[in-house]
Amino acid sequence: EAQVTQNPRYLITVTGKKLTVTCSQNMNHEYMSWYRQDPGLGLRQIYYSMNVEVTDKGDVPEGYKVSRKEKRNFPLILESPSPNQTSLYFCASSLSPGQPQHFGDGTRLSIL
Amino acid sequence: GESVGLHLPTLSVQEGDNSIINCAYSNSASDYFIWYKQESGKGPQFIIDIRSNMDKRQGQRVTVLLNKTVKHLSLQIAATQPGDSAVYFCAEINSGYSTLTFGKGTMLLVSP
Repeated sequence: EAQVTQNPRYLITVTGKKLTVTCSQNMNHEYMSWYRQDPGLGLRQIYYSMNVEVTDKGDVPEGYKVSRKEKRNFPLILESPSPNQTSLYFCASSLSPGQPQHFGDGTRLSIL
Repeated sequence: GESVGLHLPTLSVQEGDNSIINCAYSNSASDYFIWYKQESGKGPQFIIDIRSNMDKRQGQRVTVLLNKTVKHLSLQIAATQPGDSAVYFCAEINSGYSTLTFGKGTMLLVSP
C-alpha cells in the first residue's frame, strides 16, 4: 500500500530536549515536505526537499532542521524544542512539486 | 485532528444537497491548484486538481472551477453525503518555486 509513515504519532516532551520525527514514504517520490498545522493559521510549510541531499526552507523554518540522506526518508529535527513549536506536524511526498502530495497521518507534538 | 476545525468558516448542508466551497488564492503566478479533504485525526487527502490553462475540471461527484481573473477557486460537491463532512483546503503552487501554499480551510458539516 502506498503510504507516508510518520513516527511518533504523539509526543509530549520538555523544552530543550532534542527530538526527531521520522518520515518514510514507499512510493519512490523525489519531493518531500514538512508542514505544521495550527488553528487559525492552516498548514504552513517548514522545509522541503527536491531530492536526496537537496533541502530548502519553506515559510516557517526557524527552530527546525531536516536531512535527506535517502530518497525514502525525510526526518524533522528539533534541536532545542520550545513551547511555540507545539503543533500538529505533517510529512508529505510527491513525484514532483507539480504533482499532488500524499500526506502522513500527522504527529502531534506538545512541548512543555 | 479536532483542533483543525477551530476558527474555520463552516458550511452546513443537508444530505443530498450540492455544496460549494470557495477559496481565494493570493499569487497570480500560481499555475497549479489542488483541493484536499482532511478528516478528523488524518492527514489531508487529495480530491482534485486543476492547472492554470483550464477553467473547469470534473471528477466523481466533484467539480473544480478556476477564475484566474479574480483569483478564485471553487469546489462543488454533488449530492453531498455525511461522509463528506471534513475540512477542505485549497492549495496553490507556483511550479517555478516548488512551494505549496494552503488556504485556511472550510469545514463542511453534512447532516442526515
